[in-house]
Amino acid sequence: DTAVSQTPKYLVTQMGNDKSIKCEQNLGHDTMYWYKQDSKKFLKIMFSYNNKELIINETVPNRFSPKSPDKAHLNLHINSLELGDSAVYFCASIGTGGANTEAFFGQGTRLTVV
Amino acid sequence: GENVEQHPSTLSVQEGDSAVIKCTYSDSASNYFPWYKQELGKRPQLIIDIRSNVGEKKDQRIAVTLNKTAKHFSLHITETQPEDSAVYFCAATFTGTASKLTFGTGTRLQVTL
Repeated sequence: DTAVSQTPKYLVTQMGNDKSIKCEQNLGHDTMYWYKQDSKKFLKIMFSYNNKELIINETVPNRFSPKSPDKAHLNLHINSLELGDSAVYFCASIGTGGANTEAFFGQGTRLTVV
Repeated sequence: GENVEQHPSTLSVQEGDSAVIKCTYSDSASNYFPWYKQELGKRPQLIIDIRSNVGEKKDQRIAVTLNKTAKHFSLHITETQPEDSAVYFCAATFTGTASKLTFGTGTRLQVTL
């Protein structure tokens, strides 16, 4: 069973379009993240949710809107896509208690805006 | 907020040699320091971690050391093999509800034959 799964794996779209990426985890974790990995491989945190509540928003443009319908799901919707949004987006989940602190990543979504 | 610096950005070693990657962090409240390995086109995966109550941890060819006073931690890989070639990320966080896993900028390790 895949612990953290995100879809789609690849997304090619035109500038100005709106797109969504979905993420689901079956680990029972309370905390989920969205990270953006650019062409230089930097992993930058975008959002963190704990039990469906937004905890961290790292000054991401408000064209990016995360949604957590329940603690197992964290989706990312992007409006009015721009060329600079091209990157790999990783979803991750982490436990917050005791020894349960490993972050598990989804397989990534490679977004290409043309 | 936490800031994690990582050096070097690229590292090339010959098979069988050792590799060392160093990180520094800024937030003294951070108490958990994982290391992730990311192979080309794959997701980052945890290879080893250390908590602030421990100075050193070893797992076969991989070891991590932590100096809380200096806010430094390092990854040591001995007897490197070609399959160790990947991008390695250090990270730091304070474990808890509002934990924010902050990553270093990554080190591309190339193990040559």
